[in-house]
Amino acid sequence: LAKTTQPISMDSYEGQEVNITCSHNNIATNDYITWYQQFPSQGPRFIIQGYKTKVTNEVASLFIPADRKSSTLSLPRVSLSDTAVYYCLVGGLSGGYNKLIFGAGTRLAVHP
Amino acid sequence: SAVISQKPSRDICQRGTSLTIQCQVDSQVTMMFWYRQQPGQSLTLIATANQGSEATYESGFVIDKFPISRPNLTFSTLTVSNMSPEDSSIYLCSVVEVTGYQETQYFGPGTRLLVL
Repeated sequence: LAKTTQPISMDSYEGQEVNITCSHNNIATNDYITWYQQFPSQGPRFIIQGYKTKVTNEVASLFIPADRKSSTLSLPRVSLSDTAVYYCLVGGLSGGYNKLIFGAGTRLAVHP
Repeated sequence: SAVISQKPSRDICQRGTSLTIQCQVDSQVTMMFWYRQQPGQSLTLIATANQGSEATYESGFVIDKFPISRPNLTFSTLTVSNMSPEDSSIYLCSVVEVTGYQETQYFGPGTRLLVL
């Protein structure tokens, strides 16, 4: 199971773009990269998932370089409500699903 | 995405008792998991709930303490047995949804357990 490393915490201000980078040097060919957001006392909420290059949805963008050994979650114009813990995980592909193992996550604090 | 509900949402229990947590999904799913999140910590995988067979437990978790049932593809239960204050955690049910070649894991709202 691939291990991920991400910053323990980050601070930002309302309206700024936030980029959280995650390293996963041992990512396997079959692994996807998935990011979750978690608020206190709630279950993790799926944000975005990708395999390579760039993925964008209504919430965030995910940038994955060609070697796939890292990925960057980009949150455009954050607001106070984006204050949460963000988890980067790798795993899971049809035919050989690997259960997701959570690391420590990145605690993002958005300030007024 | 799959809609996952858990019952109860929270409970306060006395040590030595047991609590069964239910997880219901609005669609049939192959993979279901149970996680625990202790206060201020990340999520820890307890076990994979296998439909029609015994659950697969992670290191540090045993069936006698956390018996799991998975009678069908939309429902599972986790029992926390002979509870102690150290079992105070949020317990989360999770499922995998398959769309084409992509598999995405979703989480329930969690059950907040306090053991006195």
